[in-house]
Amino acid sequence: TQLLEQSPQFLSIQEGENLTVYCNSSSVFSSLQWYRQEPGEGPVLLVTVVTGGEVKKLKRLTFQFGDARKDSSLHITAAQPGDTGLYLCAGPTPGTYKYIFGTGTRLKVLA
Amino acid sequence: DADVTQTPRNRITKTGKRIMLECSQTKGHDRMYWYRQDPGLGLRLIYYSFDVKDINKGEISDGYSVSRQAQAKFSLSLESAIPNQTALYFCATLGQGGELFFGEGSRLTVL
Repeated sequence: TQLLEQSPQFLSIQEGENLTVYCNSSSVFSSLQWYRQEPGEGPVLLVTVVTGGEVKKLKRLTFQFGDARKDSSLHITAAQPGDTGLYLCAGPTPGTYKYIFGTGTRLKVLA
Repeated sequence: DADVTQTPRNRITKTGKRIMLECSQTKGHDRMYWYRQDPGLGLRLIYYSFDVKDINKGEISDGYSVSRQAQAKFSLSLESAIPNQTALYFCATLGQGGELFFGEGSRLTVL
């Protein structure tokens, strides 16, 4: 059973457009993370959100943790070709250090 | 040198063969993980370990076994490889702040 569902699965947009990626669960998480993976490499952490309602910004990327800590979103403003990659949400299964990942969102930004 | 090193990086084998994927880390982390990545399915947890005496099954442990030889080494074995185990395998360690650090991946093809 996949506890973390991401949407959309694929996204192809033009440079300069905005986009939002969603990560949803029916379970409460103590924290959620967002990773970015490029071809031939392992995922790299972008951000960790730990408090319900928390908003974190990383340049053009804005991350939000839902008030109930069951969901998170990643918003990219004015996407650039360098944003192309696979975006993954992840988190520890409630009460454990068993880290699971979402299904992933593959983003392609066209110049 | 990479902090998390996986060997081999690429392997082609035949159905029924025994395969071992090795992971070593220089980060001094206690917690280590093995994940499998298939197209469109994100990362799925195979096994994880908190120390040499603590091994835990993940989401998809059937057909796999692991060995934690030392704090720095965590190996994944396929006792009798089958074609649907063709995938990209990642080893990761968990830092104190909850960040997962990944190796570069081992691409396994089972013919």
